Amino acid sequence: QHVLTQPPSASASLGASVRLTCTLSSGHSSYAIAWHQQQPEKGPRYLMKINSDGSHIMGDGIPDRFSGSSSGAERYLTISSLQSEDEADYYCQTWGIGILIFGGGTKLTVL
Amino acid sequence: QVQLVQSGAEVKKPGASVKVSCKASGYTLTGYYIHWVRQAPGQGLEWMGRINPNSGGTNSAQKFQGRVTMTRDTSINTAFLELSRLRSDDTAVYYCARDGLPITGTPVPDYWGQGTLVTVSS
Repeated sequence: QHVLTQPPSASASLGASVRLTCTLSSGHSSYAIAWHQQQPEKGPRYLMKINSDGSHIMGDGIPDRFSGSSSGAERYLTISSLQSEDEADYYCQTWGIGILIFGGGTKLTVL
Repeated sequence: QVQLVQSGAEVKKPGASVKVSCKASGYTLTGYYIHWVRQAPGQGLEWMGRINPNSGGTNSAQKFQGRVTMTRDTSINTAFLELSRLRSDDTAVYYCARDGLPITGTPVPDYWGQGTLVTVSS
């Protein structure tokens, strides 16, 4: 069973850029992952899926301020021109045989 | 546009059962798996299980096996989650989510319901 590891918190200033990281467990570095955003008191929202080669499929209506990339076992979500509404929890997600696997989430604070 | 609309909040006593509905619109329910995911207060996302609305086939996380039942009614484009023998630690927001596999090529929830708060308290 593989595991996704995310730092619990991150912060960046309004208007700046931030890169969030999700690390796949050993032996699973070829897996794609997805990023989901959860704003305070709201349900999750699918942002994008990122493949191991860095190619990605965006969710409907997601601004191009959000982008994804990949390096080895790490998958990244970069948010540019940070806005106050980007303050949220960000979860990465992958899958096993017939199951979904979520990372613990990163709480992003916009300063 | 694709929408998943869930039933309203529930308050249940320990030992009771709860049934949550998830009505799909903007697409045909039978075309995509539905996942159920829950989130306890202040905690992360926990996958519970999934249903293939076309066949009715299901699989669930080991910790819920024997307590969770997932069904669907294709005539009303709605999926259901029933959780039995409720305990206080089942207090959580329960989400349904469409599996975008036909579009993304891998199991990824691409649309989420708004969530249903289930409170278990004596």
